[in-house]
Amino acid sequence: DQQVKQNSPSLSVQEGRISILNCDYTNSMFDYFLWYKKYPAEGPTFLISISSIKDKNEDGRFTVFLNKSAKHLSLHIVPSQPGDSAVYFCAASLSGGYNKLIFGAGTRLAVHP
Amino acid sequence: DTGVSQDPRHKITKRGQNVTFRCDPISEHNRLYWYRQTLGQGPEFLTYFQNEAQLEKSRLLSDRFSAERPKGSFSTLEIQRTEQGDSAMYLCASGNPGQGYNEQFFGPGTRLTVL
Repeated sequence: DQQVKQNSPSLSVQEGRISILNCDYTNSMFDYFLWYKKYPAEGPTFLISISSIKDKNEDGRFTVFLNKSAKHLSLHIVPSQPGDSAVYFCAASLSGGYNKLIFGAGTRLAVHP
Repeated sequence: DTGVSQDPRHKITKRGQNVTFRCDPISEHNRLYWYRQTLGQGPEFLTYFQNEAQLEKSRLLSDRFSAERPKGSFSTLEIQRTEQGDSAMYLCASGNPGQGYNEQFFGPGTRLTVL
């Protein structure tokens, strides 16, 4: 069963606008969530994370929002830049991120001029 | 430190052959993780170590797969009698919860193609 779902396989956004990537999960026991970015031929690169005790975390242009009642999180990128074009993975953990991560299938973001 | 490294980056083998991959984690990291990623999917957990102890194995890790981390530093992942379904990107990650952060840092991966 797919415990972490990213239902949009792709997203296209104009440079300077906001990118919103969504992620849903089914296991209410998840207590830590992470976003990774992946370029072709490279491993995933950590972007930002959030603990289940928070509902928002910001780091520069990146903000993650967590809605526990809806079992939904989102990544906002403002403003979007062409270099943000990559595949974005949402991941969840049962133990604060210390043990295994369970990933979604990814969303390919394309930021065009 | 230059991050997590993996060797080889690419491996092409014939069905039935054995292959071994190596992962060198970030030096102070005590946890090492292996994941597998197939086209269009996110990484799937295979196994992880804390120092030299293998703490969890996924049911994806059949008896043809074995992983070791003999001295708590680098790790190897061996696949015996490879099958075409083993073709994937094998990713290694490391982390150190004791340092107060939770994220896992990934290497570039080893792409395996089984003919």
